[in-house]
Amino acid sequence: DTEVTQTPKHLVMGMTNKKSLKCEQHMGHRAMYWYKQKAKKPPELMFVYSYEKLSINESVPSRFSPECPNSSLLNLHLHALQPEDSALYLCASSNPTGTRGGGNEQFFGPGTRLTVL
Amino acid sequence: LAKTTQPISMDSYEGQEVNITCSHNNIATNDYITWYQQFPSQGPRFIIQGYKTKVTNEVASLFIPADRKSSTLSLPRVSLSDTAVYYCLVPSGNTGKLIFGQGTTLQVKP
Repeated sequence: DTEVTQTPKHLVMGMTNKKSLKCEQHMGHRAMYWYKQKAKKPPELMFVYSYEKLSINESVPSRFSPECPNSSLLNLHLHALQPEDSALYLCASSNPTGTRGGGNEQFFGPGTRLTVL
Repeated sequence: LAKTTQPISMDSYEGQEVNITCSHNNIATNDYITWYQQFPSQGPRFIIQGYKTKVTNEVASLFIPADRKSSTLSLPRVSLSDTAVYYCLVPSGNTGKLIFGQGTTLQVKP
C-alpha cells in the first residue's frame, strides 16, 4: 500500500467553525507533513512530525493545530480561520533517513480543498 | 539557505525530449536533489532523485555536473499527459527540510 489518504476531499467552513483534516498512511513511514498550496503557487511547508513528535513548525498561526495520534495518522485542527486560509491542504509521509534529502521520497495525498467563508 | 531557480514555463511537442534545468548555487556537500511532478488539484509525485553524475529510472534522467550548482531533468519523448508543473527541491537549513520553489510549468502540445 503506497497510498496516503486524506479526508474530507472538500470542506467549506465559516470563520467561527471548528473542523479537522485527517491524513492516513500505512507504509510504515515515521515522518509526516502538512503543506498548504494556494492556486498556481508551490506547496508551502507548514508542519513536520518525526516519530510522532512535532519537529518543524514553519511559524504557522495558532488557528492551525496539528496532531499526530500515532505513526499512521496525522490531523490538522482548524479554528477561527480566515478567508485567506482557503487553499489545498496536502499531507505527505516519508521515511526519515537522516540524510539530507537522500532516500526520503515524500508520498503525497490528494489533498483537501478548503474554502473559508 | 539553499534556494532553487527554474524557468517559469516551457513548451514542447509530443515525442520530443524535454530538459528542465534547475540552479541551486548554495547546495551543501551532502545534499540530494529531488524532482517532483504535479498535476492540477493533485498532490506532487516523486520523479527522481540524485546526488551526482547521472541517475536514470523508467520515467526520467537526472544529470548533475561535478560542481553540483545545477541539475537537469530530462524527460524522453514527452506526451500530452506530461503537461504538469515540475519542481526541483534541495534541502534547506539545518533541518534539511525540502522547500518547493516556483516550479516549471511544462506544456506539451500535439
